[in-house]
Amino acid sequence: DSGVTQTPKHLITATGQRVTLRCSPRSGDLSVYWYQQSLDQGLQFLIQYYNGEERAKGNILERFSAQQFPDLHSELNLSSLELGDSALYFCASRKNPGTRDGYTFGSGTRLTVV
Amino acid sequence: LAKTTQPISMDSYEGQEVNITCSHNNIATNDYITWYQQFPSQGPRFIIQGYKTKVTNEVASLFIPADRKSSTLSLPRVSLSDTAVYYCLVGEGTSGTYKYIFGTGTRLKVLA
Repeated sequence: DSGVTQTPKHLITATGQRVTLRCSPRSGDLSVYWYQQSLDQGLQFLIQYYNGEERAKGNILERFSAQQFPDLHSELNLSSLELGDSALYFCASRKNPGTRDGYTFGSGTRLTVV
Repeated sequence: LAKTTQPISMDSYEGQEVNITCSHNNIATNDYITWYQQFPSQGPRFIIQGYKTKVTNEVASLFIPADRKSSTLSLPRVSLSDTAVYYCLVGEGTSGTYKYIFGTGTRLKVLA
């Protein structure tokens, strides 16, 4: 157990639908990162939050949004889902973006859009 | 932005040393270089992190040249359980455009 908790582990939904993925960071970690991993794209950085505020943005689609709450958990919202959104979505956390500690990843949410 | 590139795959035999290189031409000035190991359907697992020169821990060494545009992960005496995909991770860009970029990944297969 890495200390980063992601729910649900698996999600199957239809095209056009909306889903929410949840991440609880490791205790004491203020920064949360979201990544998407699909077969043909590798690990793609989506977005980072630090202590509730957006810090960096990667290749996140406009149909996707995220937020980090006061208790530091984060949610990734995916809407108007398409078949190509099927992927593993990972959350990672670390204490502070500027520190020497590496990221700790959760076990991911596998999203299947049918 | 240039891609952060790695060899697609490598084969090695048990007990050998394996070196995997990552090219990251656009690394941010103040960011670290981190390497991860990933098994199928699992999240990446931290191996080692460094900023420059050489870093060693109980499982690996990381070599970073002075220009920091590449890095080499060294795994001493690999075993079958080291069969996995290895990724480098760097930060690229400046404030406002900062992104965290994983390398393309190297699939290491350790043979008996």
